[in-house]
Amino acid sequence: LAKTTQPISMDSYEGQEVNITCSHNNIATNDYITWYQQFPSQGPRFIIQGYKTKVTNEVASLFIPADRKSSTLSLPRVSLSDTAVYYCLVGDTFGSGNTGKLIFGQGTTLQVKP
Amino acid sequence: GAVVSQHPSWVICKSGTSVKIECRSLDFQATTMFWYRQFPKQSLMLMATSNEGSKATYEQGVEKDKFLINHASLTLSTLTVTSAHPEDSSFYICSIPEINYGYTFGSGTRLTVV
Repeated sequence: LAKTTQPISMDSYEGQEVNITCSHNNIATNDYITWYQQFPSQGPRFIIQGYKTKVTNEVASLFIPADRKSSTLSLPRVSLSDTAVYYCLVGDTFGSGNTGKLIFGQGTTLQVKP
Repeated sequence: GAVVSQHPSWVICKSGTSVKIECRSLDFQATTMFWYRQFPKQSLMLMATSNEGSKATYEQGVEKDKFLINHASLTLSTLTVTSAHPEDSSFYICSIPEINYGYTFGSGTRLTVV
């Protein structure tokens, strides 16, 4: 699985837009980019997934440039409850003849301040 | 996605005893489940792949005789920490993948060995 690199931590204030960038220089053609959110003492929760260009859902947007070697998770107008660890993962979807293993990197700890 | 139930949420046990953690898929037949371990302020580390009706596949460095995995049905995988010691204290999380959908994580089990 492609290795990912993210900032270890980020600080923000309530109401601001937060952008977390992830580098994945060795991403394969079949790989998707997925972001997860984890609160303390909870399992990770799916946020968004994309393959190229831009994907938007009710909680976030994901921007992927043409070369797909990086991606940016955008959280609009964060609140205190968005304080969490955010993980960027790349890999093929489960069931495509791969092992299905998700290998987590270090993640980005986002601290939202009042 | 799949609805995953992990039990117990937390457990305290004495050193030398064994502890069983359950991961249930409530609405999905899961032929594969994954088990992770997470130490404080660290990322998730994949321990093993649980396969229904066959032996689990363990990641390098994970003792298969210490972390017994049983996946006897399509809705239940169990992780038993045998002869637990304080260094086994950690947060254990299961994950269920779905073809072309993604991964759903359990809520996690906090194990404290005293």
